[in-house]
Amino acid sequence: QQQVKQSPQSLIVQKGGISIINCAYENTAFDYFPWYQQFPGKGPALLIAIRPDVSEKKEGRFTISFNKSAKQFSLHIMDSQPGDSATYFCAARKGGGADGLTFGKGTHLIIQP
Amino acid sequence: DSGVTQTPKHLITATGQRVTLRCSPRSGDLSVYWYQQSLDQGLQFLIHYYNGEERAKGNILERFSAQQFPDLHSELNLSSLELGDSALYFCASSVGEDTIYFGEGSWLTVV
Repeated sequence: QQQVKQSPQSLIVQKGGISIINCAYENTAFDYFPWYQQFPGKGPALLIAIRPDVSEKKEGRFTISFNKSAKQFSLHIMDSQPGDSATYFCAARKGGGADGLTFGKGTHLIIQP
Repeated sequence: DSGVTQTPKHLITATGQRVTLRCSPRSGDLSVYWYQQSLDQGLQFLIHYYNGEERAKGNILERFSAQQFPDLHSELNLSSLELGDSALYFCASSVGEDTIYFGEGSWLTVV
């Protein structure tokens, strides 16, 4: 059972454009939703995270939009740059902090110059 | 650099063998998590230790075990290795509930 579904699998965006990656979750016990960025040969690095009590969080060019009723959240990368080319993972975790993160399958993002 | 150190970076071993992966968390972090990343399964949570005690188990096989020592470093032991165990194994650490920092991983190849 895939508890966090991520789409698309791959995405090509022109430099300066907006990259949008979507995730949907099933478990209503999830209360923490981070996005991770991973470059080849490196570990995932936390990009931005949100809790369900807010509908949007922005940090620089990165924005998370969260729709609790639809059980969906998305990552928007504004003014996408070639250096943003990486694999992006959404994740979710149940409250309490004991459980690990449940990850989506990842999106391979390519920003074309 | 996340501050999480994993060794070895690469490991090649034969089926049926046993290996140990080591992790040093960020200074001050009490929680250590282990994850497995493979092409078919993606990133999967294996196990979480907090200050030496097991807190939660994920999709960890019975052939795998982990422990966290008094100095907070952790080891993941993989035994009776199979070809399908070939993957990238990540250690991650955190001081609180939220921000989890990942190491650069240990590449395990079983031949």
